[in-house]
Amino acid sequence: NAGVTQTPKFQVLKTGQSMTLQCAQDMNHEYMSWYRQDPGMGLRLIHYSVGAGITDQGEVPNGYNVSRSTTEDFPLRLLSAAPSQTSVYFCASSPRTGASNQPQHFGDGTRLSIL
Amino acid sequence: AQSVTQPDIHITVSEGASLELRCNYSYGATPYLFWYVQSPGQGLQLLLKYFSGDTLVQGIKGFEAEFKRSQSSFNLRKPSVHWSDAAEYFCAVGKSGNTPLVFGKGTRLSVIA
Repeated sequence: NAGVTQTPKFQVLKTGQSMTLQCAQDMNHEYMSWYRQDPGMGLRLIHYSVGAGITDQGEVPNGYNVSRSTTEDFPLRLLSAAPSQTSVYFCASSPRTGASNQPQHFGDGTRLSIL
Repeated sequence: AQSVTQPDIHITVSEGASLELRCNYSYGATPYLFWYVQSPGQGLQLLLKYFSGDTLVQGIKGFEAEFKRSQSSFNLRKPSVHWSDAAEYFCAVGKSGNTPLVFGKGTRLSVIA
């Protein structure tokens, strides 16, 4: 199993461009989350989903959109990139039913720079 | 609301010395607590977790952590640090074991000879 796969691993954008960060998991996990990591700030939750068709906002949702059309995929969209969105983005997944003791699996991250 | 405080931004220890990284949490109910490690340019690796039961939990790489409800703490310890332990360490709290987490800001560990 591949686990949680994030693409791309690196990306440079210009201010105002749009982009979608991809996240896919092959473990049939219901829960998926997006975090951003900034120096000295730890990881902060952007958006999360408890299943296909259901999403909710986390701590820092502004400037990001998500959708969950399938169990496997949870893309993160930047509609108009801003320099403040320069960060490392992590996707995570975990099972829901009958497995409340199963912690999140994290992807390897996407390093995004906005010029 | 949940929150996590890691009071130490950066710690330097000598190889072979003992280590304790501090973590304090705020959560009204029974917390689910985690420690993750991140090497430079890498993703997050789960070191250990506490859900219930024995308050002293063992993890990978020789790490352990102790949950102290009275102090709202979940400190990470290792009796003898190796140079390969140099990394950033994150404490996190969740409402359950599989829900999104609230992370501390991290503690960077440097190991000197």
